[in-house]
Formats: sequence, C-alpha cells, structure tokens
Amino acid sequence: AQSVTQLDSHVSVSEGTPVLLRCNYSSSYSPSLFWYVQHPNKGLQLLLKYTSAATLVKGINGFEAEFKKSETSFHLTKPSAHMSDAAEYFCVVRGGSQGNLIFGKGTKLSVKP
Amino acid sequence: DARVTQTPRDKVTEMGQEVTMRCQPILGHNTVFWYRQTMMQGLELLAYFRNRAPLDDSGMPKDRFSAEMPDATLATLKIQPSEPRDSAVYFCASGLVIGSPDTQYFGPGTRLTVL
Repeated sequence: AQSVTQLDSHVSVSEGTPVLLRCNYSSSYSPSLFWYVQHPNKGLQLLLKYTSAATLVKGINGFEAEFKKSETSFHLTKPSAHMSDAAEYFCVVRGGSQGNLIFGKGTKLSVKP
Repeated sequence: DARVTQTPRDKVTEMGQEVTMRCQPILGHNTVFWYRQTMMQGLELLAYFRNRAPLDDSGMPKDRFSAEMPDATLATLKIQPSEPRDSAVYFCASGLVIGSPDTQYFGPGTRLTVL
C-alpha cells in the first residue's frame, strides 16, 4: 500500500531564508508523487508532480522537489522564502491505478518578516 | 481558465437535516473525486467516479452518505441525516484518465458545519 509521512507538522522560517519541507514515501512500485499547497480558507493547488521522469522537479512559485529512491524521500525546497509562501503543504502519493490520492498530514509553513 | 466549481461554499445546518453538495468538474475530465478534510483525520478520500460510474465509495459511511453523477457536468454528495461529526470541508477534484491518471484539480471546497 502507498503512504506518505510528512516529518514536520510545523516549520517556521524567516523571509529570505531557505525552505525545506520533508516527506518520505512508501510504495510497492514506482510512485507518482505530488506537492499541493493550501492557503488559509482556500482550496488545494498543485505545486509540482513527479511521475518517473527527471528526479529534480521544478514547480510553481520557485519551489522544487527531488525524488530520491534510495532514501524514499521527496522533500520540497525553495531557496528564499516569501511572506506569501505561508500556507499548509501536503505531500501526496497516487494510491491506485484510478488515480486516487493519498495525502500526508500536512506541514504548516510560517514565514516571519 | 478551466476550474472545478463547488456549491455551496459554506453551509450551516442542524443535526438531522439533509445536506447536498454539488461539484462541476472541468469540462472533458472523466474522473471525479470527493475528499473530506478535518483537523483530526486530515484529507481522506470518500468516493470517486470514472466516466460517471462509481468506482470506489469505501471511504463513505454508507448509511448516511451517497454520491452520484447525474451527468458529466455534475457530481453530488448527499448526507442524510447529517450529524455534528460530519462538520468538515468537502473537496471535489477532477482529472483525466487516458491509460494512466493525470493531475487532479481541486475545487475551492464546501465548508459544512452541522450544529
């Protein structure tokens, strides 16, 4: 069965400093992995996705994630945090052939001025 | 700019009342998913459809929840009777499956409060 574990429930950074949100996955086959972002009282927006092409995936708003099979990780990074990045971030794995998604518990990112 | 729409955006109701949530998937998408988000459980899949046929609704409490797709442009999630523990944000997502699944696009959600 597929699953994801987000290692931090809350991350706080200062504006202009790097962001690292950690995610480990478990999958019996080559997974499809995603990061979604949810701003307060908003829906879910796709940041980026990995589907067995390049292991370094670039997304919107300067975010990127690297798929590391040896470490079963798919961490999300950004070189320089912006105030508008404050949101909740979900690491997601595709659960089955029909495309249903399995969500991690989420990491809340706070950005201090 | 194609997007998934959901109505209502907010719903407050009393325990025992019927609640119907509606979703309009992106035109041309052939899969529709219903998810529920709560503080305790996070985001969990309730049901999904492909080409309007229900494929899996094992995530739903069968005695009170029902999901349907009357046509390709409308998906509904109904709760009857509603209970306070149903209070959550309900998201609809749509996607396209041709051979293998593509990205899912989420609607803005319906925030349900059952008093």
